[in-house]
Amino acid sequence: EVELLESGGGLVQPGGSQRLSCAASGFTFVNLAMSWVRQAPGKGLEWVSVVNPEGGTYYADSVKGRFTISRDNSKNTLYLQMNILRVEDTAVYYCTRNSRGVAAPDYWGLGTLVTVSS
Amino acid sequence: QTVVTQEPSLSVSPGGTVTLTCGLSSGSVSTAHYPSWYQQTPGQAPRTLIYTTNTRSSGVPNRFSGSILGNKAALTITGAQADDECDYYCVLYVGGGISVFGGGTKVTVL
Repeated sequence: EVELLESGGGLVQPGGSQRLSCAASGFTFVNLAMSWVRQAPGKGLEWVSVVNPEGGTYYADSVKGRFTISRDNSKNTLYLQMNILRVEDTAVYYCTRNSRGVAAPDYWGLGTLVTVSS
Repeated sequence: QTVVTQEPSLSVSPGGTVTLTCGLSSGSVSTAHYPSWYQQTPGQAPRTLIYTTNTRSSGVPNRFSGSILGNKAALTITGAQADDECDYYCVLYVGGGISVFGGGTKVTVL
């Protein structure tokens, strides 16, 4: 059974940093792209970033230059390093598995809440 | 900047059929955009219904189906039930590693 378990959320001040983790199990992690998707309170889903099996990375314009996605295939773990955080980065962050290249998420974690506030 | 469009809200009668669409601000949606659909109830993580146009996710009833209709991707719910009342999101792959979600459709069953 595919499982994705995010961790690392919490309260952080504007301008601060936070690192999210996503522990994956139930599938061959090294073979698939993985993504982060976020949802601000009361808002819709927003695609954030994806990393392909070879380590290639892509970002939404809203986070480019501030966030870094990475993966550790030996630990079956996905990461999101978030720097220079803004109030508008407050959201639940979901880890997803992609079904077709870097596209089409098919499995989701339960999410972890990041709150950026002073 | 690519915008993915969805109807903000739709209503359907119990037992009826409703079609949600997912379009692009410029251009037509095709299978190359790998359109995918997600259902979300308040306070819960999204649940995958359909991915890569028409592949139903494990455990999803066959009254949910995906297709390309004209120049848009479509999610059709047949035999609507009360617990289908929630939010639905689509996502499109727009190239260069980038995906974009639509703004979501709130479906009401009444």
